[in-house]
Amino acid sequence: DVKVTQSSRYLVKRTGEKVFLECVQDMDHENMFWYRQDPGLGLRLIYFSYDVKMKEKGDIPEGYSVSREKKERFSLILESASTNQTSMYLCASGGTGINTEAFFGQGTRLTVV
Amino acid sequence: QKEVEQNSGPLSVPEGAIASLNCTYSDRGSQSFFWYRQYSGKSPELIMFIYSNGDKEDGRFTAQLNKASQYVSLLIRDSQPSDSATYLCAGGVLKPTFGTGTRLTIIP
Repeated sequence: DVKVTQSSRYLVKRTGEKVFLECVQDMDHENMFWYRQDPGLGLRLIYFSYDVKMKEKGDIPEGYSVSREKKERFSLILESASTNQTSMYLCASGGTGINTEAFFGQGTRLTVV
Repeated sequence: QKEVEQNSGPLSVPEGAIASLNCTYSDRGSQSFFWYRQYSGKSPELIMFIYSNGDKEDGRFTAQLNKASQYVSLLIRDSQPSDSATYLCAGGVLKPTFGTGTRLTIIP
């Protein structure tokens, strides 16, 4: 079974803190993605990576950065957390090819106070 | 215009009936489309993908793709209460772009 594991299920952080969300996949997938999910807005892509050390901005990259030093690990960084970054964060991975689906982690519910 | 748009719903369907979920997309370069099901408090899980024009059937689920009209749909036959969930349509080139989802409730 494909496994995508996010480091935390729930996280509470203070405004201004630097926050790291970690994601690890065990299927040797090239592609990895970070989404946030908010009511009424659906899943919005923050950043994605199609190879080690490669990254591409998604639709809402402002206030976030990412790191991919190893193929299996993709980290999302909130440089200075703000209350409007309170959300559910979902990591996903997928291979290349026309039929590639995205496999999701269990999600991290981040609350910034 | 959003790349992938769905009827926001919510949609209520009696048990045993056919549920029809619809999605349109704007990028003609998109080749593959995916339908995910998301139960409350859970992550999305894939139930169907389609990349050729026409219908694709898998058990009670049928995905339909019309590239000329840029339209994707999901039919659920013999709806069951366990089908109650939010259904997400996704497509795009290189990266999956999701619609906002349609909440489906199956009424016993």
